[in-house]
Amino acid sequence: GAVVSQHPSWVICKSGTSVKIECRSLDFQATTMFWYRQFPKQSLMLMATSNEGSKATYEQGVEKDKFLINHASLTLSTLTVTSAHPEDSSFYICSAKQGLHYGYTFGSGTRLTVV
Amino acid sequence: DAKTTQPPSMDCAEGRAANLPCNHSTISGNEYVYWYRQIHSQGPQYIIHGLKNNETNEMASLIITEDRKSSTLILPHATLRDTAVYYCIDANQAGTALIFGKGTTLSVSS
Repeated sequence: GAVVSQHPSWVICKSGTSVKIECRSLDFQATTMFWYRQFPKQSLMLMATSNEGSKATYEQGVEKDKFLINHASLTLSTLTVTSAHPEDSSFYICSAKQGLHYGYTFGSGTRLTVV
Repeated sequence: DAKTTQPPSMDCAEGRAANLPCNHSTISGNEYVYWYRQIHSQGPQYIIHGLKNNETNEMASLIITEDRKSSTLILPHATLRDTAVYYCIDANQAGTALIFGKGTTLSVSS
């Protein structure tokens, strides 16, 4: 089945630094990937849609200059949290869809803690 | 915003069938019914999806009513490892993002 690999699985960073999270589709090509954020005891919230070779589409209220998304190839999308602050601490999850008749596959998530 | 409604929580005894309901009151003709689950601190796991016919796979069965306004996910023999938050989602096949609601927290106990 389709596999989406997300790295790192957890990261601790100091306030003011930047953190990059990678999302790779291992056995299929994904022209579109999606980034979600999940706070404790809450559901997943869509942050942005990442399109290969073009700019990402951000959901309302998500700062595009703070959450930089790059989708340079058909198998890799990256999310960079710039100038991270403690309120950015969250569980970040990516997903991709293999094709028309398949479901969406999710990465295992990245736990970001900003101290 | 999520378009589906689910009960916030359900309990099930180990070995019994778990039947999780979902209302899809605004589902449109080209939208599929997807079911995912999320075990604590992991990414969501795909379970099953369907359009209008009932579906079955190695994990579960999906029953969709004829008017498609509701569906039921059936785990035929629940185990402790099925304890998770279960989400039903309406989505078309065009590849737009899945929008998650609050889901149903299923607790399976021995």
